Amino acid sequence: DTGVSQDPRHKITKRGQNVTFRCDPISEHNRLYWYRQTLGQGPEFLTYFQNEAQLEKSRLLSDRFSAERPKGSFSTLEIQRTEQGDSAMYLCASSLVAAVRGTGELFFGEGSRLTVL
Amino acid sequence: DQQVKQNSPSLSVQEGRISILNCDYTNSMFDYFLWYKKYPAEGPTFLISISSIKDKNEDGRFTVFLNKSAKHLSLHIVPSQPGDSAVYFCAAITKGGKLIFGQGTELSVKP
Repeated sequence: DTGVSQDPRHKITKRGQNVTFRCDPISEHNRLYWYRQTLGQGPEFLTYFQNEAQLEKSRLLSDRFSAERPKGSFSTLEIQRTEQGDSAMYLCASSLVAAVRGTGELFFGEGSRLTVL
Repeated sequence: DQQVKQNSPSLSVQEGRISILNCDYTNSMFDYFLWYKKYPAEGPTFLISISSIKDKNEDGRFTVFLNKSAKHLSLHIVPSQPGDSAVYFCAAITKGGKLIFGQGTELSVKP
């Protein structure tokens, strides 16, 4: 198993464009999380899934953000009409529900860095 | 509303000495507390966790202490090694399984 994979690793876009990030979790992990991290801050929760069901979405997220996990495996995070304030590292993590409830351990990918010009 | 806080953005210690990283939280309903370690250009990696019903958990050079009355936890690294230099995030997990992170403390261990 190669761990959590995220693509692309780095995306540069112009303000107003749409971007999409993909996350491939560790095989058979039923929980999948998206976080956003800016410089000097800790990861900020965006949303999470159990299989294909989206369990919670942060109130901080505007309607420009949407995430899907259509078949309970990979997930996509789309940002529409990007703004400069969206520039950040977008982190994906996965785990098993039992592990989350046991020790809370999540396995993170290396992240997708977004730069909005 | 920052539910998990790390008030020290950085810490510098000498190799071989103890590193103590601190974290405060506001929500008494958290189930577990965790520490993650992050190197540049990598995602955070799990280091150690502690259940809210315990007050200490030890794993090799790493020990986490939980003081529920003070809503405070700390990570002790003994002895500190240069390879421990990284950003350390304190995190708490809700009953629903959502992780909430602190702002991070950058540890620098000098040879």
